[in-house]
Amino acid sequence: DSGVTQTPKHLITATGQRVTLRCSPRSGDLSVYWYQQSLDQGLQFLIQYYNGEERAKGNILERFSAQQFPDLHSELNLSSLELGDSALYFCASSGLAGGAKNIQYFGAGTRLSVL
Amino acid sequence: AQSVSQHNHHVILSEAASLELGCNYSYGGTVNLFWYVQYPGQHLQLLLKYFSGDPLVKGIKGFEAEFIKSKFSFNLRKPSVQWSDTAEYFCAVTGTSGYNKLIFGAGTRLAVHP
Repeated sequence: DSGVTQTPKHLITATGQRVTLRCSPRSGDLSVYWYQQSLDQGLQFLIQYYNGEERAKGNILERFSAQQFPDLHSELNLSSLELGDSALYFCASSGLAGGAKNIQYFGAGTRLSVL
Repeated sequence: AQSVSQHNHHVILSEAASLELGCNYSYGGTVNLFWYVQYPGQHLQLLLKYFSGDPLVKGIKGFEAEFIKSKFSFNLRKPSVQWSDTAEYFCAVTGTSGYNKLIFGAGTRLAVHP
C-alpha cells in the first residue's frame, strides 16, 4: 500500500457526462500529480499541484480541470466526456514541490469507462 | 524532446532465467531515473531509483539497474526471475530541478512461466 488513496476504483459513464475523480495523498505530502494511462498514449502527465497551487501542466485537455483543497486532497474533473477519455487515471504524491530526489508514490488508479 | 524508449514491449521468460530490460532516455540536463512495476490490477510501485553517485543501483526484490550516462541508458536487470515477477515494468525520467513530471516509457510486459 502506497498510502495514496483514489476513489472510485471504477467509473462507468456515458459520453457528454462529467465525472470527478478524487485523490488523497500520503500523510504529509504536499504535491499531487495526475497521470492518464491509455492504450494508445501510454502513461502521460496531466497536472501537478503543490500545497493548493497549480505548479505544472502537461497534456491536459481544456475539458479537464483539477484542484487541490486545503486538506491537500485533490480532485480531477473531466467534463463533456468522449469515448477516447476512457483510461486509467493515476494520482501520485510526493513530499517535495520538485527538484532532485523527488519520489512520487502512486495510488491504485481510477478506471474510467466512457460508453 | 524529452522521451523514454523501452526496447521490448513483451518479454517471456522461464523461471530462473536472467532478465534485462532496456531503457534509453532523451532529456536535456541532469536527470533522476526510475523503474516502476505494475503488478496485475495494482498500482505502480517504485522498484528502484537513481539520483546521483554510484551508477549501479539496487532496488527491491533483487532488481538492479545501471545508469550509463554516455549511452543515456538505464537498463533493469535481475539474475534469476520468478513467476511472481510477472508484471509490467516502466522506466521513467525527470529533471533534477523545477517540477518533476515523470516521463514514462511505453512499458514492458514481462511474463514468467513456471
